[in-house]
This record gives sequence, C-alpha cells and structure tokens, in this order.
Amino acid sequence: KQEVTQIPAALSVPEGENLVLNCSFTDSAIYNLQWFRQDPGKGLTSLLLIQSSQREQTSGRLNASLDKSSGRSTLYIAASQPGDSATYLCTPPPGANSKLTFGKGITLSVRP
Amino acid sequence: ETGVTQTPRHLVMGMTNKKSLKCEQHLGHNAMYWYKQSAKKPLELMFVYSLEERVENNSVPSRFSPECPNSSHLFLHLHTLQPEDSALYLCASSQEGLGGYTFGSGTRLTVV
Repeated sequence: KQEVTQIPAALSVPEGENLVLNCSFTDSAIYNLQWFRQDPGKGLTSLLLIQSSQREQTSGRLNASLDKSSGRSTLYIAASQPGDSATYLCTPPPGANSKLTFGKGITLSVRP
Repeated sequence: ETGVTQTPRHLVMGMTNKKSLKCEQHLGHNAMYWYKQSAKKPLELMFVYSLEERVENNSVPSRFSPECPNSSHLFLHLHTLQPEDSALYLCASSQEGLGGYTFGSGTRLTVV
C-alpha cells in the first residue's frame, strides 16, 4: 500500500523567499506524480504532472522534480508571494486511472 | 472553471432528507471519482467509475449511493446521513493512458 509523507506539516516564510516542499512515497512503482494546491474549503488545483520517465517539470515560478529510486519528489517555489499561501499535496498513482493516495499536505503561509 | 463542475457548492440537509450531488466533466475523460475530505484528515477515496462502470467502492456506507449514467456525469445520492458525514465532497476525472487528474471545486455538505 502506497504511503505518502509530506514534511513539515506547516511552513511560514516571508514574501520573496525561495522554498522547497518535500514529498516522499513508499512504493516507487508509480505511473506519474502530480502536485496540487488546495485553498481552504476549495477543490484541488493541479500544478504540475511529472511522468514516471521524466525527472522534472516547470511551470512559471514552480519546478517539480522526481526521483523514483529514492521515493522522493520536491516542489520548488521561487520568489514566494502571499498568493502562494495554500495547502500543497502530492500524489503518486500506480496507474493511469488508479486510486490516488494523499498525505496530509503541507500548509504554506507566505507573509507580506 | 476547471473543466469539472460540481453542484451545489454548499448543501445543508437534515438527517432524514434525500439529496444528490452532481458532477459534470467537460474534458472527455473516461474515469470519474468521488472523494471525501473531512476536517484535518487526508482525502479519502469513496468511489471510482471507469468507462461508466463502478470499479471500486472503498467500503462506503450504503447511505451514499453513486450513479454514473454516462462518461460525463457522476452523481452521489445521499439519504439518512449522519452529522459525521459533514465534509467537503470532491469529484475528479482522468483519462486512461494519459494520467493526470482534474478536480472540481467541491460541495460543502453539512448534516444537521
């Protein structure tokens, strides 16, 4: 059974700081890995999708890397802004339409 | 809009009521999912439909009844719920062979 761990559970940083969010998973037989953000009381917004054959994906100020062999992914946020405040979740499903396993996410607060 | 639309956004119902949640995806995906998110807990998978057939029922009580009449629509019928069923209910969709999941904005359900 896949287990996803994201540490720390919460993070507070000043605006402008570069930061790294970590995601670890126990089963490296994954199909891809997807990062989401969730604002309080809202649905999940997809940020980046990394296929298992890829090492990283970039979108604007966001860069996600994947190391299947070590069971780790990182989400790098450059020049953080207050609008980045949200909970960030990663999920590594074993197949294209497989059950998603979520951890508790990392709640990020960016102070103005 | 994210491509996955959920209605209603908010719902308050009594324990003896019957109501339905609706999800519609405009992405041409062939799999749809219901997730439950309770306060301070990770997302929990409830049901999976692939090609309009239910492929997973994650030990959900029978007071929750899903329906998938076609690949674009998914319903969750609710009856005789309990206060502990109050949560954010999220719908998601994906496409076989491509991976990546798209979530709706959710329905905030309160059972009184």
